[in-house]
Amino acid sequence: DIQMTQSPSTLSASVGDRVTITCRASQTINNWLAWYQQKPGKAPKLLMYEASILESGVPSRFSGSGAGTEFTLTISSLQPDDIGFYFCQQCDTYTFGQGTNVEI
Amino acid sequence: EVQLVQSGVEVKKPGESLKISCRGSRDIFENRWIGWMRHMPGKGLEWVGRIYTGDSDTRMNPSFEGQVTISVDKSINTAYLQWNSLKDSDGAIFYCARRKMGAFYRGFDVWGQGTTVTVTS
Repeated sequence: DIQMTQSPSTLSASVGDRVTITCRASQTINNWLAWYQQKPGKAPKLLMYEASILESGVPSRFSGSGAGTEFTLTISSLQPDDIGFYFCQQCDTYTFGQGTNVEI
Repeated sequence: EVQLVQSGVEVKKPGESLKISCRGSRDIFENRWIGWMRHMPGKGLEWVGRIYTGDSDTRMNPSFEGQVTISVDKSINTAYLQWNSLKDSDGAIFYCARRKMGAFYRGFDVWGQGTTVTVTS
């Protein structure tokens, strides 16, 4: 099965910082990658799909890049509302990364 | 708000059966793929399987084949995840989610709030 390795597991940054989360796939997945945000006690929220397409309603400070096996999610200027748990999902056979806890 | 609503917390004993549900409005549920995901404490999410609400076509993660059953009642816009005999190791949070319209590789755009299943003797 395709394994997804996500890093870091925890990220502490200041408001206004540029932050990057990485997912690496164990084999090529084209650009079939989605990113999600989850806040405590809430349902996950789709942020990006096909690696770099911003889901409707998601702030433009979020961006995604990558193809093949290496992918990144970037928040250009971290905001207090961005704290939460972020995880990637490869959309070939739907395995997930372990997630990143973003703290301020 | 576009949403899927899941059934509530379940506390069961090993060997018991369980069926949890995921309900949506007709416009978000009709003729769509609905997936189920498992989140065990300290681990990443795992995809359990998915079902097409239009014709009940079901695709399972091989790791979950024979362990759970996914079904749908399209007359009430509700999908189900069912166990015939729970094990201690089945305890987790289970999420349903709708696959985004279009190509299969676009992710899941609507999620339920999660159902916590605890299995304890």
